[in-house]
Amino acid sequence: NAGVTQTPKFRILKIGQSMTLQCTQDMNHNYMYWYRQDPGMGLKLIYYSVGAGITDKGEVPNGYNVSRSTTEDFPLRLELAAPSQTSVYFCASSYEDITDTQYFGPGTRLTVL
Amino acid sequence: EDKVVQSPLSLVVHEGDTVTLNCSYEVTNFRSLLWYKQEKKAPTFLFMLTSSGIEKKSGRLSSILDKKELSSILNITATQTGDSAIYLCAGSNFGNEKLTFGTGTRLTIIP
Repeated sequence: NAGVTQTPKFRILKIGQSMTLQCTQDMNHNYMYWYRQDPGMGLKLIYYSVGAGITDKGEVPNGYNVSRSTTEDFPLRLELAAPSQTSVYFCASSYEDITDTQYFGPGTRLTVL
Repeated sequence: EDKVVQSPLSLVVHEGDTVTLNCSYEVTNFRSLLWYKQEKKAPTFLFMLTSSGIEKKSGRLSSILDKKELSSILNITATQTGDSAIYLCAGSNFGNEKLTFGTGTRLTIIP
């Protein structure tokens, strides 16, 4: 099992550009999450999904969109990048719910200039 | 708004020392408290605590929840350089699928 994989590992965007962060898990987990982690801060939940076709907002959803067309994939879309979105983005998955063990991907470091 | 506060923010000790990390929470309709270890990259799960007073143990690490004091501690005995990491705690509540994370404690073990 590869677990949770994320691409790209690093990315630099200009203000106003768009991009999609990819996340895939091969553990057949129902729940998937996107977090951001700013320097010296804890993780903040952006969006989550409880199964294919079902997504919901987390704590900091503004400026982001998600979709969940399959159990395996949970891409995160940034439409108009802003400097405030400079962060490290983690995707995670769990089998049952948010208190189940969450398995994290390696993260994507995004810089918006 | 739910809040999780960790202390100290950073800690530097010598190898072999015992450390105690603290986590206090204000979480509406509290369900569980989770501890994660974050080394260079992604957090890895350590413990989930739901019941007060019951210690969870994994090797040299142990943790306990005090629901009366709305707090939890993470103990690491006989520390090793491999324990150097950021330790995160997070609270969950019934009714939504959200974890509230603290900012973490950065632990550095000096050989």
